Amino acid sequence: GEDVEQSLFLSVREGDSSVINCTYTDSSSTYLYWYKQEPGAGLQLLTYIFSNMDMKQDQRLTVLLNKKDKHLSLRIADTQTGDSAIYFCAESIHGQNFVFGPGTRLSVLP
Amino acid sequence: GAVVSQHPSWVICKSGTSVKIECRSLDFQATTMFWYRQFPKQSLMLMATSNEGSKATYEQGVEKDKFLINHASLTLSTLTVTSAHPEDSSFYICSARLQREGFYNEQFFGPGTRLTVL
Repeated sequence: GEDVEQSLFLSVREGDSSVINCTYTDSSSTYLYWYKQEPGAGLQLLTYIFSNMDMKQDQRLTVLLNKKDKHLSLRIADTQTGDSAIYFCAESIHGQNFVFGPGTRLSVLP
Repeated sequence: GAVVSQHPSWVICKSGTSVKIECRSLDFQATTMFWYRQFPKQSLMLMATSNEGSKATYEQGVEKDKFLINHASLTLSTLTVTSAHPEDSSFYICSARLQREGFYNEQFFGPGTRLTVL
């Protein structure tokens, strides 16, 4: 079946860049997503990328997709304490059948 | 736009009681909604797909008689945890699918409901 993997923890200093990595197995994925979950809250869609793209930038967020290696990354520039949260990578086929990774807990140190 | 709400946001109940959780799409109609379960420090696991006007589709290992799903209207799906036990304590998150023209259908997630069974 489909599988999405992420490293579980990442710590960075405030002002540095954060890079969260994700790998997936389903080559038929058409969309890949990054969601943010703050403590006790639901999921907030940060950004998504269509599988025929290799990069998408949105303000401080840059998503890179290597479809050949099935590798997705999320770079957060100038990381702030408010960015501390769990970040989930997810993949779907045409917006259906979402499969989520285990989440990466980002800690931003002052 | 595209807001999904859940009610209640948290609930504490006694073992053996039933608890109903509502998921509403506030500004769009959703023929399909999804129910996820999230254990502490773990990812979301899809429990079932809720289809308006028809029976829900449950994922393998999810007891349909334990987790009753009703999608009676295009904006409301309910999940009832029957005869709740402490092991049912979890964070339950719903999502609603917004169908757009073309083939991209986005899912919008609710804020989640934290269930604690004593």
